[in-house]
Amino acid sequence: QKEVEQNSGPLSVPEGAIASLNCTYSDRGSQSFFWYRQYSGKSPELIMSIYSNGDKEDGRFTAQLNKASQYVSLLIRDSQPSDSATYLCAVTSSGTYKYIFGTGTRLKVLA
Amino acid sequence: DGGITQSPKYLFRKEGQNVTLSCEQNLNHDAMYWYRQDPGQGLRLIYYSQIVNDFQKGDIAEGYSVSREKKESFPLTVTSAQKNPTAFYLCASIENTEAFFGQGTRLTVV
Repeated sequence: QKEVEQNSGPLSVPEGAIASLNCTYSDRGSQSFFWYRQYSGKSPELIMSIYSNGDKEDGRFTAQLNKASQYVSLLIRDSQPSDSATYLCAVTSSGTYKYIFGTGTRLKVLA
Repeated sequence: DGGITQSPKYLFRKEGQNVTLSCEQNLNHDAMYWYRQDPGQGLRLIYYSQIVNDFQKGDIAEGYSVSREKKESFPLTVTSAQKNPTAFYLCASIENTEAFFGQGTRLTVV
């Protein structure tokens, strides 16, 4: 089982819709959870971090964490074509300093 | 400007050669990481270092080596033992759990 799993997509949504991206992780002791956005050929950039169960909102982005289910998600409201990118979920591993990424989900927002 | 600088941006390696990818940071971060990304794939951890003169293997360390003689620098050597080195390599430093990435080095075997 991979440490961090994501559906590779592509996930296609129409402009203005809500995009929902999901991530599961295997280490129950994981402490910190992140969503990075990566445009083609570029480096990833951090868009959201979440550390406790529940929802965290920042503008059009909402991160949701459920540690009991080992599940973290990212919602993008009012999706724009500029949101088209690969979204990477990252998790810090308990007891080490390992910073582990999932395979990413490619999002396409259709104009 | 503070940040992570990777060089070169593009690198070509002949079969059997060792090559070294440079990663320098002026953010004064303790932790530095190397990742490999293949087309359509996520980031896989090669090596990481929490402090000077100390580093740990990640998930795909075979065929790679690193050093951490200075806080600012964390070079990655791709050795001839790495049979499929063609990939995009990303260096990152991490502070307060946020990762800051360099622009990456695209390595191609010719």
